[in-house]
Amino acid sequence: QVQLQESGPGLVKPSQTLSLICTVSGGSISSGNYYWSWIRQPAGKGLEWVGRIYTEGSTRYNPSLNSRVTISRDTSNNQFSLTVSSVTAADTAMYYCARGRGASNYDFWGQGVLVTVSS
Amino acid sequence: DIQLTQSPSFLSASVGDRVTITCRASQGISTNLAWYQQEPGKAPKLLIYATSTLQSGVPSRFSGSGSGTEFTLTISSLQPEDFATYYCQQLDSYPITFGQGTRLEIK
Repeated sequence: QVQLQESGPGLVKPSQTLSLICTVSGGSISSGNYYWSWIRQPAGKGLEWVGRIYTEGSTRYNPSLNSRVTISRDTSNNQFSLTVSSVTAADTAMYYCARGRGASNYDFWGQGVLVTVSS
Repeated sequence: DIQLTQSPSFLSASVGDRVTITCRASQGISTNLAWYQQEPGKAPKLLIYATSTLQSGVPSRFSGSGSGTEFTLTISSLQPEDFATYYCQQLDSYPITFGQGTRLEIK
């Protein structure tokens, strides 16, 4: 059974960089047809796809984040990470990591980590 | 970006009712649509993918249909645990997008 666990600071100051890590167990992030992804959800609102890193290392991001996003991976620790630069209050959200199965669905999700942007 | 519009945004129903949620895409997405259920304080849970394929372990009272730009999620007989928020998601093109959600509450 694949499990994902997000970790990182719960509070980030405006204009700084948000950094989160997703640790994956029960499966390798460097094998199979999977898209290791980040999705976020402001309180009381809907889901927003942030971006993903494919098994072989290629990345795609949501243009709405204006090139502030980077997703990378650490295959030795079976982790992938998210950084969002120049954060504002609009980046306050629950951040989920998830596994995209092919181009078909997201079948495993982490429990989420709440990130608040505030001074 | 492909916009997904769910209707209704809010639905009040009773245990045992049959309910249908619609998801309309701003352009054709073939059958590249998934449905998720989200309970308060929890991560979304995959229900259906490729428009109509039931995820393993999901009760058969859930079903999906559609193609192109119009899709539906049907719950044939509502159970107490089904009261939650439902989202559609398109995976046809980047950026991947979600509908705004349908909140299903007990009448």
